[in-house]
Parts: sequence; structure tokens; C-alpha cells
Amino acid sequence: GQSLEQPSEVTAVEGAIVQINCTYQTSGFYGLSWYQQHDGGAPTFLSYNGLDGLEETGRFSSFLSRSDSYGYLLLQELQMKDSASYFCAVRPEGGQNFVFGPGTRLSVLP
Amino acid sequence: GAVVSQHPSRVICKSGTSVKIECRSLDFQATTMFWYRQFPKQSLMLMATSNEGSKATYEQGVEKDKFLINHASLTLSTLTVASAHPEDSSFYICSARRPLQNSPLHFGNGTRLTVT
Repeated sequence: GQSLEQPSEVTAVEGAIVQINCTYQTSGFYGLSWYQQHDGGAPTFLSYNGLDGLEETGRFSSFLSRSDSYGYLLLQELQMKDSASYFCAVRPEGGQNFVFGPGTRLSVLP
Repeated sequence: GAVVSQHPSRVICKSGTSVKIECRSLDFQATTMFWYRQFPKQSLMLMATSNEGSKATYEQGVEKDKFLINHASLTLSTLTVASAHPEDSSFYICSARRPLQNSPLHFGNGTRLTVT
């Protein structure tokens, strides 16, 4: 089976850098994805790591280390609008659906 | 623009009413769609996988007779909450992904169901 863990809450100030970690126990998966969800809204796709290493997309970067069963989402130059919940997710090998982590609620303070 | 469209966005109904939620993929054909349920401040819980032209695959603990799924075309899946009760009140979200390797999930905007 698949199990993912994330911190429940993270708080940071505007302009800062924050890292949201995701550790997992899974027998095999295609890659690690990250989704952002604002209160009352739908999740939106942020980033994907199919291979180990760092992927950068603007202010957001994501990292994966399969040997360490670990990944993270890095948010730079934080803005108030980044306050949201962030979910890591994996698609198990041979499967179509995604398994989501419990989510990390990020609060950005002025 | 939106890739997956979900309607309605909000439903308030009385106990015993059946509610239908539609999910459409707008610019691609989706042989598979996913229905999630989300409680406040919690993660997305997969309810079922909707398969075009065949029966849906339900997750353990999800009542098939309560949550009826129909995937009649390659762009439309519907979730019907049959005889809804207050405990069915929740946020329901559908999603689909393009049939490409490593394609991400695209979500509808969700449906907030309140059963009184």
C-alpha cells in the first residue's frame, strides 16, 4: 500500500522561503506530485518529479529522493496568496488513481 | 482555462432528496474519472473510479447504492447521492487526467453539498 506523511501546519512571513516535506512508504510509484488548494476551492497542480532531483517552476521547486523515500516542495519569495493547503500525491505503479498525503496548511503572515 | 468542469458548485437539499453532480472533461476524452470527498481541513479521500462504459470501482467502505456513478460518455461522469442525509454533507470533487504519461490530475471546482 501507499502512505504519505506531511507536517500539518507551517507558518512563515511574506518574502520568506518555506519547505514542505513529504515522506512516503510505498511499494512503487510513477512520481511525486504537488497540489495547492485554497479554502473552498479545488486542488490545482503545481509540480511533478518523475526522477530524483530538483524541478523548478518559477517561485516553486520540488525535490524527490527515491532512495530516501522523501520529497519536498520549496516556496520562495512567499506572498500572502500562497496561504493554502499543499498536498503531495503519488500514482502507484499499475494504477490510475492518485494517493494524497494529509496536506500541509501554510499560513503566510505579513 | 478550465480543463474539468463540475456542476453544480453548491447544493442545499432536504434529507431524503437525491442529488446529481456532473463532471465533464472539456478538451480531452477521459476514459477514467475520479470522485473524491473532502471534509473540512482534511485530505482528499478517493470514493470511486469512474470507468467509461463499465461499472465504477468503489473504494472500501463507500456504499455503491448510496453513491451512484455513471460514466456514459468519454467526457461526462455523474455522481448521484441517493436519498441524501445530513451525514452526506461534504465537499465532493471530481478529477480526470489526460491519457498521457505523467499527466497530472485536473480537478473540477467541487460541489458543496449541504443536507438539512
